[in-house]
Amino acid sequence: QKEVEQNSGPLSVPEGAIASLNCTYSDRGSQSFFWYRQYSGKSPELIMSIYSNGDKEDGRFTAQLNKASQYVSLLIRDSQPSDSATYLCAVSAGGFKTIFGAGTRLFVKA
Amino acid sequence: EAGVTQFPSHSVIEKGQTVTLRCDPISGHDNLYWYRRVMGKEIKFLLHFVKESKQDESGMPNNRFLAERTGGTYSTLKVQPAELEDSGVYFCASSQGVARQETQYFGPGTRLLVL
Repeated sequence: QKEVEQNSGPLSVPEGAIASLNCTYSDRGSQSFFWYRQYSGKSPELIMSIYSNGDKEDGRFTAQLNKASQYVSLLIRDSQPSDSATYLCAVSAGGFKTIFGAGTRLFVKA
Repeated sequence: EAGVTQFPSHSVIEKGQTVTLRCDPISGHDNLYWYRRVMGKEIKFLLHFVKESKQDESGMPNNRFLAERTGGTYSTLKVQPAELEDSGVYFCASSQGVARQETQYFGPGTRLLVL
């Protein structure tokens, strides 16, 4: 079992729709959870971090965390073609070591 | 403010050769990390420096990899001798302080191809 699992996609949504990205993790001791966006050939860029159960909203992005289910998700409202990228879920169990999932490719169709 | 920089951007070497990758973190960032992404796989943690000290090197694959951060500024990652399976993208990241939740800023990566 991978430590952080994501559906590789591609996930295709029309412009203006809600994109829902999901991630599960195996270490119950995980404390910090991150979503990174990576455009093709570029470096990962942190877009959301979440540390406690529930929802956290930042603009068009909402991260949701459920530690009991070991599940974290990212919702992108009003999806734009510029949101097309690979979204990486990452988890830290303490300290600074971060475990990444393989990423979900998102395509937003104009 | 300059971001994390890495050099070279690409490197193509033959199996058995040595390659040294360099990372310059954001000025003032005490924490420096190395990660690697092998084709088709997830980004894997290699190690973490706090200033010049190795805080966690649990992700280093074997003793062919040597990372240094003399003086607590830039870091180098040397692969000697390189093997085919070392091919991938090597990312460096840095963060400012000691809080675990601080944002890690990634560099553009070095794309290494071992033939």
